[in-house]
Amino acid sequence: GAVVSQHPSWVICKSGTSVKIECRSLDFQATTMFWYRQFPKQSLMLMATSNEGSKATYEQGVEKDKFLINHASLTLSTLTVTSAHPEDSSFYICSAETSGSYEQYFGPGTRLTVT
Amino acid sequence: QKEVEQNSGPLSVPEGAIASLNCTYSDRGSQSFFWYRQYSGKSPELIMFIYSNGDKEDGRFTAQLNKASQYVSLLIRDSQPSDSATYLCAVTDSASGGYNKLIFGAGTRLAVHP
Repeated sequence: GAVVSQHPSWVICKSGTSVKIECRSLDFQATTMFWYRQFPKQSLMLMATSNEGSKATYEQGVEKDKFLINHASLTLSTLTVTSAHPEDSSFYICSAETSGSYEQYFGPGTRLTVT
Repeated sequence: QKEVEQNSGPLSVPEGAIASLNCTYSDRGSQSFFWYRQYSGKSPELIMFIYSNGDKEDGRFTAQLNKASQYVSLLIRDSQPSDSATYLCAVTDSASGGYNKLIFGAGTRLAVHP
């Protein structure tokens, strides 16, 4: 149980285009989902936290107009990188938690390369 | 700025030995502490979590917590080459409200050699 999926697993896009990444909890209802970014040889940096039906809370320094997060249901959150640039190339990982649980369940990650 | 500090390594241990990984954190209000293992190119997977001071054992893994010293450790007994990975320490942010926002350390790279 407690499986989180991400789609796509990897994506290559041209500079200036937008990319959407989906995060789904497959067998539980995720009250909260988290989006992280990880650059090579660095740790996970939290970008934003989303709760179903409400606006995401962004961490300091993360542009909310560039990284659009939509938590449309208790099983789906999406991250859209708008007007992507090469410096946005990174490993994007989502996680989900359910009410009453201390544990975050991580998705497999999405590797974004912007050319 | 709340921080979680880990030695980046690499920590190199022979197969069968005990690997000791350490972590210190700055947020005195943190309540939950996690160890994740991350293989290269993969997302983190939970190894253990601990909430109370003292030791918690699960198979070959033992987590140790000392809230007074703001220190968490992970011992891996009988280390195997398959344990070679980066180990991330994470603690909950006491100011995160109704959800469990995690603060991650940069990770310690463990290399177990045959």
